[in-house]
Amino acid sequence: DQQVKQNSPSLSVQEGRISILNCDYTNSMFDYFLWYKKYPAEGPTFLISISSIKDKNEDGRFTVFLNKSAKHLSLHIVPSQPGDSAVYFCAALSGTYKYIFGTGTRLKVLA
Amino acid sequence: KAGVTQTPRYLIKTRGQQVTLSCSPISGHRSVSWYQQTPGQGLQFLFEYFSETQRNKGNFPGRFSGRQFSNSRSEMNVSTLELGDSALYLCASSSYGTSGVYHEQYFGPGTRLTVT
Repeated sequence: DQQVKQNSPSLSVQEGRISILNCDYTNSMFDYFLWYKKYPAEGPTFLISISSIKDKNEDGRFTVFLNKSAKHLSLHIVPSQPGDSAVYFCAALSGTYKYIFGTGTRLKVLA
Repeated sequence: KAGVTQTPRYLIKTRGQQVTLSCSPISGHRSVSWYQQTPGQGLQFLFEYFSETQRNKGNFPGRFSGRQFSNSRSEMNVSTLELGDSALYLCASSSYGTSGVYHEQYFGPGTRLTVT
């Protein structure tokens, strides 16, 4: 049972445009969410997080939005750059000490 | 500050054998988690250790085990390897302790295990 879902396995965006990556979750008890970026042959790198008491968090070109009623979060990258091409994972903190990850979305930013 | 290191980076084993993977966390981090990544499955949580104690465990068979040492280094062991155990095994460390404050995890590069 996949509690954190990324329904789009891949996404292509033109350089300079906005990239929107989506993530849905099923457990309303999740209260902390994170986004990671992963390049081939490397471990995931932390990007940005959001607590359930907020609905938006920004860090430079990256913004995460949380819609608790819809159990949905999204990552916006503006403007998208070719170096952003990677696999993006969303994750949720389940109870304590256990992070549940989605299956990832492969983003390709076209120059 | 040095990042999370994992050894070995690549490993080829035969069905039925056992394997031990090692992880050294970021200095000062006492929480170490292990994940299995396979194509299409994302990162599946194996277990998490803090101060040599396993605090949480994922839904993996008992062939998967781990431990943590007093210096926070951790090892993961898989016994009686099966073909389906071929995957990238990732270790992550965090300063997440007992305060309840949320902390992100920092990942190592992973160990690519191939079972033939």
